[in-house]
Amino acid sequence: SAVISQKPSRDICQRGTSLTIQCQVDSQVTMMFWYRQQPGQSLTLIATANQGSEATYESGFVIDKFPISRPNLTFSTLTVSNMSPEDSSIYLCSGNRGANTEAFFGQGTRLTVV
Amino acid sequence: QKEVEQNSGPLSVPEGAIASLNCTYSDRGSQSFFWYRQYSGKSPELIMFIYSNGDKEDGRFTAQLNKASQYVSLLIRDSQPSDSATYLCAVESSASKIIFGSGTRLSIRP
Repeated sequence: SAVISQKPSRDICQRGTSLTIQCQVDSQVTMMFWYRQQPGQSLTLIATANQGSEATYESGFVIDKFPISRPNLTFSTLTVSNMSPEDSSIYLCSGNRGANTEAFFGQGTRLTVV
Repeated sequence: QKEVEQNSGPLSVPEGAIASLNCTYSDRGSQSFFWYRQYSGKSPELIMFIYSNGDKEDGRFTAQLNKASQYVSLLIRDSQPSDSATYLCAVESSASKIIFGSGTRLSIRP
């Protein structure tokens, strides 16, 4: 496996502002993903972060709201833009080394929008 | 139909008994299947992963996969109170995305 350092671990933000979450992996990974976990819910895939190209978004998620960067094989960011209270959630990044390998997770970012 | 389906529970099992958790998936092209355990307020941690039909055992945990029936299960033997958590079934789809089920809350009663 690998270790993913995710920051910030938590934040309280004003509505209308944006927050950028960072994930740094201690070794190269093939795939990186961003998930949202709302209170009492499971993980919902937001997008696949593609190295050197635009992320691939799941239905219901758009680039203008959740811009993602992945400049290399060990780093990715997710920005939650123009936040509203409905964006209050835990955001998790994940990585794996390709097909048939486990996904490992960052520690999560607990976001509260007020 | 959801891509990965689990019973939400809660599933209550007496200490020392076998806990059985089930999961079905819709994408026949799925290759890899994972069980994660998540304690409240923590990130998911991998318990088992399986990609061949049949059983895979690791300590008190056994994962069972039946690709023809699109079914994967997790058995926990000699259940302990520390096993009380939410168990997430995850499936690597044919598009290499990892999709999670809604999770089953397991409670082990002393």
